[in-house]
Formats: sequence, structure tokens, C-alpha cells
Amino acid sequence: AQSVTQPDIHITVSEGASLELRCNYSYGATPYLFWYVQSPGQGLQLLLKYFSGDTLVQGIKGFEAEFKRSQSSFNLRKPSVHWSDAAEYFCAVGSQDNAGNMLTFGGGTRLMVKP
Amino acid sequence: DGGITQSPKYLFRKEGQNVTLSCEQNLNHDAMYWYRQDPGQGLRLIYYSQIVNDFQKGDIAEGYSVSREKKESFPLTVTSAQKNPTAFYLCASSPQALEDTQYFGPGTRLTVL
Repeated sequence: AQSVTQPDIHITVSEGASLELRCNYSYGATPYLFWYVQSPGQGLQLLLKYFSGDTLVQGIKGFEAEFKRSQSSFNLRKPSVHWSDAAEYFCAVGSQDNAGNMLTFGGGTRLMVKP
Repeated sequence: DGGITQSPKYLFRKEGQNVTLSCEQNLNHDAMYWYRQDPGQGLRLIYYSQIVNDFQKGDIAEGYSVSREKKESFPLTVTSAQKNPTAFYLCASSPQALEDTQYFGPGTRLTVL
């Protein structure tokens, strides 16, 4: 069965500093990978996704992620964090069975930004 | 505007009562999903539906029920059999393909008193 691990529950960075959020997955086939962001009390918004091609994926709000098959990782990065990036971030892997498609989510990483 | 609506945003119920959460989408998506979110646990799949009149159990379906009588609607009923129903519930929809994005509604926070 597929699984996703986000090792960091909380991360605090200073505004303007770089950011890397870690994501490791377990999946037998070629993975479909997603990063979502959630503001408090809100739904989730897609930042970026990977399913084939270039392993460095660009997303919205200046985020990017790199798929590394050898490390089973899909880490999210941003070169310079803004205060508005404070939120919770979820990594997910897509899978398919006879009944349809589904996402398996990691536990999330809460990002706090210091002024 | 196209999107997913969930109502109500906040819901309070007494223990032992069934409650139904609404989810409507006008994106013409085939697939719809219900997730439960608890602090520190990410999102867990309750039920999903790929087509009208068909739905499948997810990882934590016990104590919940759904219906999919119309393409745009996927209501979730939290029954009295659900032992710990207080949580944030998120509905999502997507087109058919695995690489398609799931789009999420704003969520309903259910509190059982």
C-alpha cells in the first residue's frame, strides 16, 4: 500500500530565508505526486504536481519541487519565504485501483514565518 | 463561478444524532471524495465516487454513509455509530484521470456536544 511521510511537523523560518519541506513516499509503481497548501480553517489549494517528464516541477507562488526516484522523495522548495506563506503544507501520492483514483496524504508540515 | 461548495461551515450536533454534510460542485467532474482531517493526522479518505450511483469505502468509512444520485452532489452522513465524529470534513472533486488535480471545498467543521 502507498504511504507518505512528512518528517517535519513544524518548521519556522525567517521571512526572506529559503525553505525546504521534506516528503518521502512509498509506492510500487511510478508515482503521481502532489503538494497542497492549506490556510487555517480553509480547504486545500494545489501548489504543484508531478506525473512524468522533467523531475523539477514549478508551481504557483514561487514554489518548486524535485522528484528523486532513488530517494523516494518529492521535496518542496522556495528560495525566499514571504509572511503570507505561513500555512500547512501537505504532500500526497496518487494511486489507482479498480474502483478509481485516490490520494494518500502525509501528515502535513506547519510552516511559521518570523518577521 | 465554478467551484465546490460545502455547507454549513460550522455544525453542532448532540451526541447520538445523525447529521448530513452537503457537498456540491459545478465543475462537471466525474469523481468526488470525502476526507476527514484531525490535527496532526493529515487527511484521511472516508468515501469516494467515480460515477453517479456508485461509491467506494475509503480508509475510515465506518460510521459514515454517502449517496451519489446526481453528478454534482455527494452528501456525507455522519451516523451515531461514528465514535468520534468531531473533526474538519473536506469534500473534493476531480476529472477522471489519475494525474488530474483534486479540487477542494472550504470544509465543514463538525462539533458533537
